[in-house]
Amino acid sequence: DADVTQTPRNRITKTGKRIMLECSQTKGHDRMYWYRQDPGLGLRLIYYSFDVKDINKGEISDGYSVSRQAQAKFSLSLESAIPNQTALYFCATSDPHGLSYGYTFGSGTRLTVV
Amino acid sequence: KQEVTQIPAALSVPEGENLVLNCSFTDSAIYNLQWFRQDPGKGLTSLLLIQSSQREQTSGRLNASLDKSSGRSTLYIAASQPGDSATYLCAGNSGAGSYQLTFGKGTKLSVIP
Repeated sequence: DADVTQTPRNRITKTGKRIMLECSQTKGHDRMYWYRQDPGLGLRLIYYSFDVKDINKGEISDGYSVSRQAQAKFSLSLESAIPNQTALYFCATSDPHGLSYGYTFGSGTRLTVV
Repeated sequence: KQEVTQIPAALSVPEGENLVLNCSFTDSAIYNLQWFRQDPGKGLTSLLLIQSSQREQTSGRLNASLDKSSGRSTLYIAASQPGDSATYLCAGNSGAGSYQLTFGKGTKLSVIP
């Protein structure tokens, strides 16, 4: 099994719908992150969590919310999806002490909002 | 705000050539630096991690180095193969415990058989 698993892999949804992207990890790390990737813009941080009770906004959090259900699970929600949220979404995890082991990314969720 | 520039944006080389990808940071206080590979529409695969106390890492035909004084990193690929074709991303964070891993926009590499 992959260290970081994202579901679904692909999703097409309509404007205005609520959608949840899920992420689970088996690394045992406390830190988890959600990024989105857009052509020409690179990866940008949406939200990050240092532990179950610590959730923080990233660079582009507007229109998104997150939930850290357990150490291993971190979900991203789009409350009312809009077309410019069409992107490739990545979940990642890292160790807590100096990032000694770097970041581990999931395979991504390709979201299309029509 | 940390910004990362990767040069070139795209590169096409014949199979067998050695090549260098470049990455530079506006804030040279890089703590850890990581190089990733991304195949089209796929996730990020970690290639090399240079930790705070290191200056260089090697894995097979890949060698990454980090010059903290200038805030620049290079990824050297020896004897390139068509299977090396992908987008290569560098990313770094500033300071121990920093949450922010800042990414470059990548170099798209094509290795021609």
